[in-house]
Amino acid sequence: DSGVTQTPKHLITATGQRVTLRCSPRSGDLSVYWYQQSLDQGLQFLIQYYNGEERAKGNILERFSAQQFPDLHSELNLSSLELGDSALYFCASSPRDRIFHEQYFGPGTRLTVT
Amino acid sequence: ELKVEQNPLFLSMQEGKNYTIYCNYSTTSDRLYWYRQDPGKSLESLFVLLSNGAVKQEGRLMASLDTKARLSTLHITAAVHDLSATYFCAVLSLPSGGGGSNYKLTFGKGTLLTVNP
Repeated sequence: DSGVTQTPKHLITATGQRVTLRCSPRSGDLSVYWYQQSLDQGLQFLIQYYNGEERAKGNILERFSAQQFPDLHSELNLSSLELGDSALYFCASSPRDRIFHEQYFGPGTRLTVT
Repeated sequence: ELKVEQNPLFLSMQEGKNYTIYCNYSTTSDRLYWYRQDPGKSLESLFVLLSNGAVKQEGRLMASLDTKARLSTLHITAAVHDLSATYFCAVLSLPSGGGGSNYKLTFGKGTLLTVNP
């Protein structure tokens, strides 16, 4: 158990809908990262937040957005969902550590768009 | 843009045999990571490699890093069935725009390892 929690574990929804995925980082970690894992694209970095501020963006679609709240939990919002958005979405957190920069991954949310 | 290539992508081994998974990356990086993923599960950190020549071992797995060649290897010794999983290497990079706290991991496609009795 990495200490990162994600809810829900599974989500099934229809095309065109909007969903919110939630992540709580490990205690004390200020950075939260979101990744998408799909069969065709592999594991892709989406976005990073550090202490409430967006710090880095990867291959995140405009239909997707995220935020990190004052209590450091983060939410990933996916809207106008398409079949191709079906994937496993991971959240990771990392401590403020200038040596290892290790990221600890949550259990993931499996999103199925029908 | 940083690219990370793993090979092989699929590896079927017999128990007791040795094999190596390779991870090449395209630009200079500070850190390289190996993760294990069981089907439908999260990523479990195996190794963090920090510098050229770094070698780390845990049980039947040994990882090494050659930053000059931009190559990391994950060597499996005397494989056992419990090692069956997908193994990912990931390279740390600073996104453009710099700053002290923005890092991202670029992953290889993963190597699906199956160890047969």
